[in-house]
Amino acid sequence: SQTIHQWPATLVQPVGSPLSLECTVEGTSNPNLYWYRQAAGRGLQLLFYSVGIGQISSEVPQNLSASRPQDRQFILSSKKLLLSDSGFYLCAWSTSGGNQPQHFGDGTRLSIL
Amino acid sequence: QKEVEQNSGPLSVPEGAIASLNCTYSDRGSQSFFWYRQYSGKSPELIMFIYSNGDKEDGRFTAQLNKASQYVSLLIRDSQPSDSATYLCAVTGAGSYQLTFGKGTKLSVIP
Repeated sequence: SQTIHQWPATLVQPVGSPLSLECTVEGTSNPNLYWYRQAAGRGLQLLFYSVGIGQISSEVPQNLSASRPQDRQFILSSKKLLLSDSGFYLCAWSTSGGNQPQHFGDGTRLSIL
Repeated sequence: QKEVEQNSGPLSVPEGAIASLNCTYSDRGSQSFFWYRQYSGKSPELIMFIYSNGDKEDGRFTAQLNKASQYVSLLIRDSQPSDSATYLCAVTGAGSYQLTFGKGTKLSVIP
């Protein structure tokens, strides 16, 4: 069966510091991968998605970036965090192709001080 | 802009009753519809998906889709206190990789 791992579970970072969140999927090949953010009191916002190694689509212009160095690895990064980057970051995967159900990791709760 | 609307709730139902959760969407070209359950502080968990008009049943859960009315619902029969959570409706367009989520309906099942 497929599993998705996301770490760390919680993170407290000062404003202006860098960020790296990692997500890996097991038990499937060539998945679609996604990064979402859920801010307090707001809905899930798609940040990035990837349909293959090195392929990244950005949905929201911001100071975050994503990379997919391996088939089942997805990384979310920032060079300098802003206060507004606080939130619950979720990685998800689906089988390749459109209109597929997405399955979420446990998430990283990021607080910016 | 694609929108998915849900009543934020809270929706309170007594234990053993049927909980009915509703969702409307703006994009008439939407093709796939998903229901997720999210417990407080946890990540969303997929519980149902439906692609065609009509009903789809899985255990105590029934998803209903009416594309003409741009309406999708989730019924939970024999509601249990463990069903207390926020339920998120999500929609994709034809061939799309992107899920558009509603803000969720908070369900409270009272023992």
